[in-house]
Amino acid sequence: AQSVSQHNHHVILSEAASLELGCNYSYGGTVNLFWYVQYPGQHLQLLLKYFSGDPLVKGIKGFEAEFIKSKFSFNLRKPSVQWSDTAEYFCAVANSGNTGKLIFGQGTTLQVKP
Amino acid sequence: DAGVIQSPRHEVTEMGQEVTLRCKPISGHNSLFWYRQTMMRGLELLIYFNNNVPIDDSGMPEDRFSAKMPNASFSTLKIQPSEPRDSAVYFCASSFPLLGTGELFFGEGSRLTVL
Repeated sequence: AQSVSQHNHHVILSEAASLELGCNYSYGGTVNLFWYVQYPGQHLQLLLKYFSGDPLVKGIKGFEAEFIKSKFSFNLRKPSVQWSDTAEYFCAVANSGNTGKLIFGQGTTLQVKP
Repeated sequence: DAGVIQSPRHEVTEMGQEVTLRCKPISGHNSLFWYRQTMMRGLELLIYFNNNVPIDDSGMPEDRFSAKMPNASFSTLKIQPSEPRDSAVYFCASSFPLLGTGELFFGEGSRLTVL
């Protein structure tokens, strides 16, 4: 069965620090990969997505993620975080042949200290 | 455009009561998903529909849970009878699978507290 693993459950950073959140998935076929963000008290919003092509994808608010097929990884990065990035981040995978069923990781809570 | 609309936003009920959560997907989206979010288990897919037909309900925890989608613009998730361990945030999401992207659009969620 498909699964998604996020290694960091809770990350605390100071403003301007660099961020990298790990995500690994298990699935042997072609996948679509996503990062969603959930700001406190809000619903999930799409941060970025990968379907094919350039394995380095850029999303909103300066976030980017790199798909490394050999490592089954899709890590999220941001060179310099802001206090407003405080949120929970979810990695998700979908079988590209499926009709949109996403499997989510457990989530990583990011706390950015001003 | 209106996003996914869920109601109620908050519900507090007593154990044993019936709970009905409602969802209106984005117009034109023909896939609808119900997720449950808890601190312990994160985001769990409960059930999803394509063209109003339930496709995968393997995530529905027990027979106490049921979901329906009578038409393309409305779905319900019912819990009867409710138990304290059902307390969670329930998210509805919709998508347009023909785009082939798998992207989901989430509602604001319904926070359920069962006392």
